[in-house]
Amino acid sequence: RKEVEQDPGPFNVPEGATVAFNCTYSNSASQSFFWYRQDCRKEPKLLMSVYSSGNEDGRFTAQLNRASQYISLLIRDSKLSDSATYLCVVSSLNTGGFKTIFGAGTRLFVKA
Amino acid sequence: DVKVTQSSRYLVKRTGEKVFLECVQDMDHENMFWYRQDPGLGLRLIYFSYDVKMKEKGDIPEGYSVSREKKERFSLILESASTNQTSMYLCASKTSGGSYNEQFFGPGTRLTVL
Repeated sequence: RKEVEQDPGPFNVPEGATVAFNCTYSNSASQSFFWYRQDCRKEPKLLMSVYSSGNEDGRFTAQLNRASQYISLLIRDSKLSDSATYLCVVSSLNTGGFKTIFGAGTRLFVKA
Repeated sequence: DVKVTQSSRYLVKRTGEKVFLECVQDMDHENMFWYRQDPGLGLRLIYFSYDVKMKEKGDIPEGYSVSREKKERFSLILESASTNQTSMYLCASKTSGGSYNEQFFGPGTRLTVL
């Protein structure tokens, strides 16, 4: 079983739609959680961190469910520019310091 | 504006060649990382460094080595390139301390080994 698992998609949605991604992680001791965005042929960039209380940034909402060991990303009112791959990232503290695991990503296509 | 740069965007090498990938960051970050990214597998950590001259193996260090002689520079070395090392290589850096510190990535080097 992968340490961080995501539905690879692709998700094809029309502009204005609401779309949600989930990500599950296997290490119950994981401490910090993120969503990164990666545009085609570009490097990953931090989209938002995910806190226990959940957090919102404009059209984007991230939530963490520690009991079920998953995080989610909700995108409201999708724009063409939201088309990208969304990477779920989980960090755990171990003896060698923080270990960060990247999911394989979920591809989103937003169409006019 | 934070910046991580990598020496090449595209590289083509032959099997058995020694390959150097260079990464430089201008943010005075303590931690630097080398990943490779392959379709369906996501980013996999090859090596990381938390200080000058320090290095730690990641999840897939076989066939690679690294060098960090200066804080801003982290080099990945393929001692004898093989076709299964054809991949996208991404360098990243982050400051140490909090668990929520962001990793900043370079633009990547797409390496093809023939």
